[in-house]
Amino acid sequence: GESVGLHLPTLSVQEGDNSIINCAYSNSASDYFIWYKQESGKGPQFIIDIRSNMDKRQGQRVTVLLNKTVKHLSLQIAATQPGDSAVYFCAENRGAAGNKLTFGGGTRVLVKP
Amino acid sequence: DVKVTQSSRYLVKRTGEKVFLECVQDMDHENMFWYRQDPGLGLRLIYFSYDVKMKEKGDIPEGYSVSREKKERFSLILESASTNQTSMYLCASSPHEGGKETQYFGPGTRLLVL
Repeated sequence: GESVGLHLPTLSVQEGDNSIINCAYSNSASDYFIWYKQESGKGPQFIIDIRSNMDKRQGQRVTVLLNKTVKHLSLQIAATQPGDSAVYFCAENRGAAGNKLTFGGGTRVLVKP
Repeated sequence: DVKVTQSSRYLVKRTGEKVFLECVQDMDHENMFWYRQDPGLGLRLIYFSYDVKMKEKGDIPEGYSVSREKKERFSLILESASTNQTSMYLCASSPHEGGKETQYFGPGTRLLVL
């Protein structure tokens, strides 16, 4: 079935290294994608988004890459810090009315000092 | 900053009780959403609302209902709570500007049904 999924449920990263979190989607009609960060005991927090007419977007220490050919989305975090430890979700808008999003299962990032 | 608040951070209820979860947003957003979040399953949409008094079923509406009498408030109702409704409940809102806007989340309500 159509879904948004993540390849790695847990990612351990050394402080200062770069992190890459991957996400696969299967609905070619999806035209808007978002990455969220969820810290323990909190609601998901918006990190960065990208529309399907783009293949790369950069924010502060984060970059999202979109490969529509293989239906793949990634989040890159530069110089990972302890505060980056969290669960990261990708979400896609399948073009549905009302801005419905479909979320992946999440990847936990653990930053080692 | 967008602020989405939920009435309770933690709730403990008994099987069969009627449970109300309240969500309020202060950004005049048209769209509001209720999700539940369970380990390994991510966020699953229960109900959403485009506008006052409007509601649409999400992916898992069974056992739930919603109410949106005012634009800023969206309530989730468990008519008769069951143990399989023990979960983290997240409310979100978004503006309606072309339908491609980020959803902003509240802090969540962790519900335990005994």
